[in-house]
Amino acid sequence: NAGVTQTPKFQVLKTGQSMTLQCAQDMNHEYMSWYRQDPGMGLRLIHYSVGAGITDQGEVPNGYNVSRSTTEDFPLRLLSAAPSQTSVYFCASSYQGAGDTIYFGEGSWLTVV
Amino acid sequence: GNSVTQMEGPVTLSEEAFLTINCTYTATGYPSLFWYVQYPGEGLQLLLKATKADDKGSNKGFEATYRKETTSFHLEKGSVQVSDSAVYFCALSDRSNFGNEKLTFGTGTRLTIIP
Repeated sequence: NAGVTQTPKFQVLKTGQSMTLQCAQDMNHEYMSWYRQDPGMGLRLIHYSVGAGITDQGEVPNGYNVSRSTTEDFPLRLLSAAPSQTSVYFCASSYQGAGDTIYFGEGSWLTVV
Repeated sequence: GNSVTQMEGPVTLSEEAFLTINCTYTATGYPSLFWYVQYPGEGLQLLLKATKADDKGSNKGFEATYRKETTSFHLEKGSVQVSDSAVYFCALSDRSNFGNEKLTFGTGTRLTIIP
């Protein structure tokens, strides 16, 4: 059972470039989300999805797009990378509502120069 | 809005010492509370959780009790080991939201255990 799989694990981008962070889960979870982790700030929610075809903004959505065409996949797109988007990104998923265990991927380290 | 305030680190302890990491919260609804642990170079893993007042979550020798009267969820362990060195995050999920996709995290506490 692979759980939550993120790719790539490391990426360096130039300012203005675009890229997509991939996230896939094989647990048939309805809920998926993307967080970014910055020093001294914990994890902050970027976007989330409660099921295929449904997405919504989190706390820090600017500069990012998401889509959820299937239950398994939830890619995060950086439209025009900026140095402020240098961070560690975590994808997460869970089966159902409040109180359920959330499973995290191993993280994607992104540097924008 | 919801918020989680965590004891700032870093925290350095000797092996077999007693550990407490404080966590307090504010929430508009009836939150579930979590402790997540992040080992070096890895993602977050759920350590323990509690879903209602007075519940005690426990795992791997760690415990935390959901205290509604003090809005706290302090993490404790009686005798820490070197392998417990990690970053610990307190988090809440507010049931007034649809689903728990909106976890609110504390800033994390880095714990280092010295042999």
